[in-house]
Amino acid sequence: GAVVSQHPSRVICKSGTSVKIECRSLDFQATTMFWYRQFPKQSLMLMATSNEGSKATYEQGVEKDKFLINHASLTLSTLTVTSAHPEDSSFYICSAPAGGVDTQYFGPGTRLTVL
Amino acid sequence: DQQVKQNSPSLSVQEGRISILNCDYTNSMFDYFLWYKKYPAEGPTFLISISSIKDKNEDGRFTVFLNKSAKHLSLHIVPSQPGDSAVYFCAVLGGTSYGKLTFGQGTILTVHP
Repeated sequence: GAVVSQHPSRVICKSGTSVKIECRSLDFQATTMFWYRQFPKQSLMLMATSNEGSKATYEQGVEKDKFLINHASLTLSTLTVTSAHPEDSSFYICSAPAGGVDTQYFGPGTRLTVL
Repeated sequence: DQQVKQNSPSLSVQEGRISILNCDYTNSMFDYFLWYKKYPAEGPTFLISISSIKDKNEDGRFTVFLNKSAKHLSLHIVPSQPGDSAVYFCAVLGGTSYGKLTFGQGTILTVHP
């Protein structure tokens, strides 16, 4: 199946700093990518839809100025957590549809810890 | 408002027996239903899906059943194997948001040897 990678897999940062997470589709092009967040023992919650060549679409309650999304190319989307706070600590996962929206491949996730 | 619910947080099954994971949803506009398997600190892995025009889809040891009138779907794994131990999420696709997956809370499946 299609492969989606994320970098870094784990990051620890100080409160107030910004962190960038990359999501790449390795063997297919993705005009759309999705960013999810999972808190411990909870479900995956969609944060935003990343669109190549246009602005991202954010879910209700997600601050667009805090979670900056840039879909730089057909194989790369980045999520930047700006001025991170401890409550932003979570597991961030991206996905990309390959061959149709009903076939989405997920990245391995990024564990963010804000001290 | 939880649109997708997995009411059993955990399930324990003996190796070789059947595992049945359940999922309920509220929106009849959902048109595609998926099951994902997830290990800790990893992304979900797609298992099997079913469209709203069907009531059953089978792939090897995995079968998904859809009961539209009850807004209920289930995943059957038979025979269960210890390697099946993981968190299973049901997800729905459709409604008003293109490509948006809405996940249930997940069920932790433990298969004992």
